[in-house]
Amino acid sequence: KQEVTQIPAALSVPEGENLVLNCSFTDSAIYNLQWFRQDPGKGLTSLLLIQSSQREQTSGRLNASLDKSSGRSTLYIAASQPGDSATYLCALMPFDRGSTLGRLYFGRGTQLTVWP
Amino acid sequence: NAGVTQTPKFRVLKTGQSMTLLCAQDMNHEYMYWYRQDPGMGLRLIHYSVGEGTTAKGEVPDGYNVSRLKKQNFLLGLESAAPSQTSVYFCASSYVSGLAGYEQFFGPGTRLTVL
Repeated sequence: KQEVTQIPAALSVPEGENLVLNCSFTDSAIYNLQWFRQDPGKGLTSLLLIQSSQREQTSGRLNASLDKSSGRSTLYIAASQPGDSATYLCALMPFDRGSTLGRLYFGRGTQLTVWP
Repeated sequence: NAGVTQTPKFRVLKTGQSMTLLCAQDMNHEYMYWYRQDPGMGLRLIHYSVGEGTTAKGEVPDGYNVSRLKKQNFLLGLESAAPSQTSVYFCASSYVSGLAGYEQFFGPGTRLTVL
């Protein structure tokens, strides 16, 4: 069974810092990896999707990388702002035709606080 | 374009009561999913659907039933609610092809408390 781990569970940084959130997984047979943002009491917002054949994706100040061989993905946030404060979730879709189609395995998230 | 919407947003039930959660999407997505989110457990898949008229079990299906009578709607039913079903329920939908294949879009969630 795929296991997804996110470290650290919580992170607090001053505004302006560049930061990296980590996601590790146990099985490299994945179809894609998706990073989400969740604000308190809200739903999940998709930030970036990396297909298995890709190494990274970028959107604005966000850059996500994928290294299947080492079972790792990182989300890089440049020039952090207080508005970036949220929980960031990593989720994997396994590449296994015998498993639930489209099923995502979620990490427990990293709670980020960016203070002014 | 409303994306994925969920009804209701909040609900309190007594043990043994029944209810239905409604999920609707206007993106013409083939796949739809129901997850529950619990503290310390992350999100877990309850049931999913790969198209109109089809449903299948996910990781934690017991105590729930689903129906997908129309492509845009996915219903989650609790026949006899139990306190263990107190959770936040999220619906999601996705395409199945193209560069963004399987990218999942989530609704705002339903907070359910079972007393």
